Amino acid sequence: KNEVEQSPQNLTAQEGEFITINCSYSVGISALHWLQQHPGGGIVSLFMLSSGKKKHGRLIATINIQEKHSSLHITASHPRDSAVYICAVMEYGNKLVFGAGTILRVKS
Amino acid sequence: KAGVTQTPRYLIKTRGQQVTLSCSPISGHRSVSWYQQTPGQGLQFLFEYFSETQRNKGNFPGRFSGRQFSNSRSEMNVSTLELGDSALYLCASSQGTQNTGELFFGEGSRLTVL
Repeated sequence: KNEVEQSPQNLTAQEGEFITINCSYSVGISALHWLQQHPGGGIVSLFMLSSGKKKHGRLIATINIQEKHSSLHITASHPRDSAVYICAVMEYGNKLVFGAGTILRVKS
Repeated sequence: KAGVTQTPRYLIKTRGQQVTLSCSPISGHRSVSWYQQTPGQGLQFLFEYFSETQRNKGNFPGRFSGRQFSNSRSEMNVSTLELGDSALYLCASSQGTQNTGELFFGEGSRLTVL
């Protein structure tokens, strides 16, 4: 079993839909990152969380430390949100472990 | 403010050769971390440097090494290249360490081993 599990693996949505991507992990962590990767490889950090909830524009990230679970929400999705979304957890011992990613396609 | 710069962006090597990749962090950032991305294994942590010291290392063989200079620029080296080393190599910089600061990624160096 992978230490970091993301679901779904693939997601297709219509423009305007509310989107949720989930991340579950099995180890103790000090922080969790949500990353966005567009075709061509460039990665952008969206959020770094250690507790609670953060919001940036149409993006919201939450984390429940007790349940070892985090969610990334996108409100009013747009085709430019199409990308791979990656969850990464910082294990105690400072090792960053990545999920396999969720491929999101938003159709207009 | 300039972003994280990785060079070269693309390179082709043959088995047995060695390669050196460079990463220039954002000015003022003292931490540089390196990652390997392949279609089969996804993203994997290689190592992190902070103030010229290696803080952490992932589960990679000794053929993978790195260093950081006093100006925070970092290099990673892969010796005796194998076909499986073909990958996108990404570096990221942060003001603090990996677990205290937001990560800023470079565009990556795409290595093909023939």
